[in-house]
Amino acid sequence: EVQLVESGGGLIQPGGSLRLSCAASGFIVSSNYLSWVRQAPGKGLEWVSVIYSGGSTDYADSVKGRFTISRDNSKNTLYLQMNSLRAEDTAVYYCARGTGRGFGPWGQGTLVTVSS
Amino acid sequence: QSALTQPASVSGSPGQSITISCTGTSSDIGGYNYVSWYQQHPGKAPKLMIYEVSNRPSGVSNRFSGSKSGNTASLTISGLQAEDEADYYCSSYTSSSSYVFGTGTKVTVL
Repeated sequence: EVQLVESGGGLIQPGGSLRLSCAASGFIVSSNYLSWVRQAPGKGLEWVSVIYSGGSTDYADSVKGRFTISRDNSKNTLYLQMNSLRAEDTAVYYCARGTGRGFGPWGQGTLVTVSS
Repeated sequence: QSALTQPASVSGSPGQSITISCTGTSSDIGGYNYVSWYQQHPGKAPKLMIYEVSNRPSGVSNRFSGSKSGNTASLTISGLQAEDEADYYCSSYTSSSSYVFGTGTKVTVL
C-alpha cells in the first residue's frame, strides 16, 4: 500500500527555518515525482514545489529562493527545507506522489505556524 | 500564476447530476491535457479523483467524470450521494513548468 507520512511541522518565529519530512512506503521515491502542496487555514490549495524522478525541481514564485525540495533515496524520504519563513507561510503542508501530472495519494499533512 | 476559477458552491439533490467548471487560460488548461480534480472532506487530506482531464485512478467511482473544452475543464458527478458532499479543487500544469489549483467549490447535497 502506498503511504506518505509528513513530519516536522510546528510553531516557528518569522525569519526562522524549518525542515519538513515525508516518509514514503509502498513505492520508490526516486522513480516518481513528488510535490509539496500547502493549505492556509480556511483557504484553498496552493502548489509549492515538485521534484521529478530525474532530480529536476520547480517552485512556486511565492517560495522561490526560500524553500528547497530534496529527497534521500536511501531513506525513501522527501524533504522541504523552508528558510526566511513569513506569516503567510502558515499552512498545513502536504506531500503527494505524482500521477499523470496530478497529485495522489497525499499524506495526512503537517501544520506549520509562523508567528512571534 | 493566478488561481483557476471555480464556482464557490454547487448543490444538488441525491441522485441528480452536477457539474463543476474550472476556467483557466491557454497557458494552463488550454495548453495541456494535464487537468486533475481533487475531493477534500473537512479536516482530511485531498484525494485525487481525476487526472489527465478524464482518467480515474483505481478505486474512484465511475460516477465521477472529467472533460475539457478550450480553457475550461469540468467535473461531473452523476447519481449524487450524501458522501459526495465535500470541497472540490481542479489543478493544471502550466507553461511556467509549475502547477496551479482552482479556487475550490463546495458541493452540498440537499
